Amino acid sequence: DAGVTQSPTHLIKTRGQQVTLRCSPKSGHDTVSWYQQALGQGPQFIFQYYEEEERQRGNFPDRFSGHQFPNYSSELNVNALLLGDSALYLCASSLEGTGSYEQYFGPGTRLTVT
Amino acid sequence: QKEVEQDPGPLSVPEGAIVSLNCTYSNSAFQYFMWYRQYSRKGPELLMYTYSSGNKEDGRFTAQVDKSSKYISLFIRDSQPSDSATYLCALLGNQFYFGTGTSLTVIP
Repeated sequence: DAGVTQSPTHLIKTRGQQVTLRCSPKSGHDTVSWYQQALGQGPQFIFQYYEEEERQRGNFPDRFSGHQFPNYSSELNVNALLLGDSALYLCASSLEGTGSYEQYFGPGTRLTVT
Repeated sequence: QKEVEQDPGPLSVPEGAIVSLNCTYSNSAFQYFMWYRQYSRKGPELLMYTYSSGNKEDGRFTAQVDKSSKYISLFIRDSQPSDSATYLCALLGNQFYFGTGTSLTVIP
């Protein structure tokens, strides 16, 4: 049973650039959430996608956007990168309904902005 | 005020000790309470979840929720060096809220 996968593993970008991160959910899951985890902090909720639409959003600027595809995989896009965007970006999948509280995380993409 | 407060530690204990990890929260609307374990440079791994006040046991792990005090705990019995990780509490309201994590080291 494939778990949550994310790509790439590591990424180095320059301020002002744009980045796209990718996530494939655990088999059977239909909901994808994205989190930002700064060093020494807990994950911060960015947004959640279900049925190819953004359903909820945390306190992140519009520079952060996403997409969910018909196969439930998802992308996170960040525009106009800032140094403060350097973090581990985590994708978590869950099953809408009774399983919505059981989130499973991927290994993350470590983004460094220089 | 943060939704969830968690002592970051670090916490260092000898092998075999009982470990107590705690979080407090401010919003009484939270319904689900989770504990995650995160090894260095890995994603968080769901350990346990509870819905109501009381205790839930799974092997060496016990999760405890006291909704009246807005306090949740994770106890680890007979701690092992492999338990060395960061432990994150998480609460589900309209979204997931995570604590900052407590770093635990179990010394052989």
